Amino acid sequence: NAGVTQTPKFQVLKTGQSMTLQCAQDMNHNSMYWYRQDPGMGLRLIYYSASEGTTDKGEVPNGYNVSRLNKREFSLRLESAAPSQTSVYFCASSVGTNSYNEQFFGPGTRLTVL
Amino acid sequence: KNEVEQSPQNLTAQEGEFITINCSYSVGISALHWLQQHPGGGIVSLFMLSSGKKKHGRLIATINIQEKHSSLHITASHPRDSAVYICAVLETSGSRLTFGEGTQLTVNP
Repeated sequence: NAGVTQTPKFQVLKTGQSMTLQCAQDMNHNSMYWYRQDPGMGLRLIYYSASEGTTDKGEVPNGYNVSRLNKREFSLRLESAAPSQTSVYFCASSVGTNSYNEQFFGPGTRLTVL
Repeated sequence: KNEVEQSPQNLTAQEGEFITINCSYSVGISALHWLQQHPGGGIVSLFMLSSGKKKHGRLIATINIQEKHSSLHITASHPRDSAVYICAVLETSGSRLTFGEGTQLTVNP
């Protein structure tokens, strides 16, 4: 099993460009999450999907959109990238949103917006 | 003030030392997680706690719900333990994790 995979691993964008970060999991998990990690701050939740067909805003959703394409895949889209979106992005999945469910993380995408 | 505070922010130890990383939180929680982030960036879950103590190999995690405090201990530390250790809590009123900033641990040989 590959676990949680993310593409791309690295990306450089110019301000105003758009892109989609892809995430897939092969563990048959119901819930998926997108986080960003910035220096001096803890991981912050951007969006999550408790189950296929549902998505909800997290702590920092502005400037992002998500799509839960199917049970396996959860993508994050930046419509018009800004320098403030320079960050490392992590996708994660869990069986459910219950706190007792361990979250499994992808390897991360390092995004730089110039 | 962050809801989840970790201390210390940075910790350097010699191989073999006993290490303690602390996590304090200000809200009521239903569970607390400890995670490890490797130097390459990958994040793995170490423990989930709602009470008491858990042990896995050289790692021990404890939680005191009344004092809103948890500790992660590493016995007989090794350079391969060098990583960022992250505490995260799930509030009783919520369904999402809130993360601390992490503790950077360096274990020198």
